[in-house]
Amino acid sequence: GENVEQHPSTLSVQEGDSAVIKCTYSDSASNYFPWYKQELGKGPQLIIDIRSNVGEKKDQRIAVTLNKTAKHFSLHITETQPEDSAVYFCAASPGDQFYFGTGTSLTVIP
Amino acid sequence: GAGVSQSPRYKVAKRGQDVALRCDPISGHVSLFWYQQALGQGPEFLTYFQNEAQLDKSGLPSDRFFAERPEGSVSTLKIQRTQQEDSAVYLCASSLSSSGGETQYFGPGTRLLVL
Repeated sequence: GENVEQHPSTLSVQEGDSAVIKCTYSDSASNYFPWYKQELGKGPQLIIDIRSNVGEKKDQRIAVTLNKTAKHFSLHITETQPEDSAVYFCAASPGDQFYFGTGTSLTVIP
Repeated sequence: GAGVSQSPRYKVAKRGQDVALRCDPISGHVSLFWYQQALGQGPEFLTYFQNEAQLDKSGLPSDRFFAERPEGSVSTLKIQRTQQEDSAVYLCASSLSSSGGETQYFGPGTRLLVL
């Protein structure tokens, strides 16, 4: 089955700086890559997603890039704010179910 | 509009007890997924329904785990004879259609602690 690896596991940045989280996947059949933000005590919330026919997608301060050849995709958050502090999960989907990474705990220091 | 809801939000069970976890998906969503999330880990797939049909249960860790969605809406995940290793957050997600690569919307989860 699919195997998703995510790095780093923890990330601290100063407010206003950028944050980058990277994921790799193993199954070339994966064609959908969502990113979720999970705050303490809550369920994961979709923040952005990308499909395999697109190399990059941007939504305000958040962007995702996908390299199908290398089987990796990344989340970029610019102008970070304290409310961006949370755990972020990448996922890959070759069909119906999602395979999640192990998460990145992002702390934005005011 | 209303999102995915789950109940109870917290459940403490003694080892050996049976538990039932409920998921109310977004109205009209065809697909429903159950995931298990251990502390500090990402969600792991348990099972998947398309309407009332359980199409994939490959992630259920043992035959003590059973899920149903009899009318294609509300789903229940049942765990029989709970063990300490069952302690986790159980997440439910739903998606609008049955096609692959569809956005999944998650509920808040049920936190199960088995003593």
